[in-house]
Amino acid sequence: QKEVEQDPGPLSVPEGAIVSLNCTYSNSAFQYFMWYRQYSRKGPELLMYTYSSGNKEDGRFTAQVDKSSKYISLFIRDSQPSDSATYLCAILPASSGGSYIPTFGRGTSLIVHP
Amino acid sequence: ETGVTQSPTHLIKTRGQQVTLRCSSQSGHNTVSWYQQALGQGPQFIFQYYREEENGRGNFPPRFSGLQFPNYSSELNVNALELDDSALYLCASSDSGTGTYEQYFGPGTRLTVT
Repeated sequence: QKEVEQDPGPLSVPEGAIVSLNCTYSNSAFQYFMWYRQYSRKGPELLMYTYSSGNKEDGRFTAQVDKSSKYISLFIRDSQPSDSATYLCAILPASSGGSYIPTFGRGTSLIVHP
Repeated sequence: ETGVTQSPTHLIKTRGQQVTLRCSSQSGHNTVSWYQQALGQGPQFIFQYYREEENGRGNFPPRFSGLQFPNYSSELNVNALELDDSALYLCASSDSGTGTYEQYFGPGTRLTVT
């Protein structure tokens, strides 16, 4: 079992839809959770970062963490064609000996069509 | 504030050759991490440098080596290239002194080994 599991998709939705992207993880020591967006042939761009269970909002994006289920989600409201990209979750343990090395999921490809 | 930059953008090498990739970290960041991202996969951690010292290493053979310079820029060297080394190589910088865990990625170098 991989430490971080993420469905590769593709996930295809119409413009304006609410999108739900998810990751599961196996190691309960993971405490910090990040979402990155990666456009084709570009480097990942940090979208959101959280370390607690519950929800965190930033504009159209909401990150949700359920540590009891080891499940994290990213919701995108009013999705736009410009949201079409690969979304990567990345997870860190609480303490990694001073080196902050996240474990990445394989990414979910999202396509928002007009 | 300048972001993370990488050079070259693209590179084609022959099996058995050696390659050097370069990265300039974001202003104020003292930590650089290198990742390999194969097509359709998430970034895989190669190693991390903090203040010119290796600060963590992933499951990559010794022919993958690196350096960090006093200005926190970094190099990734790969010897005896193999076909499977073809991938997008990402550099990410962060500031380990603040206790935050966000990493900011460069655009990557796409390496093709023939």
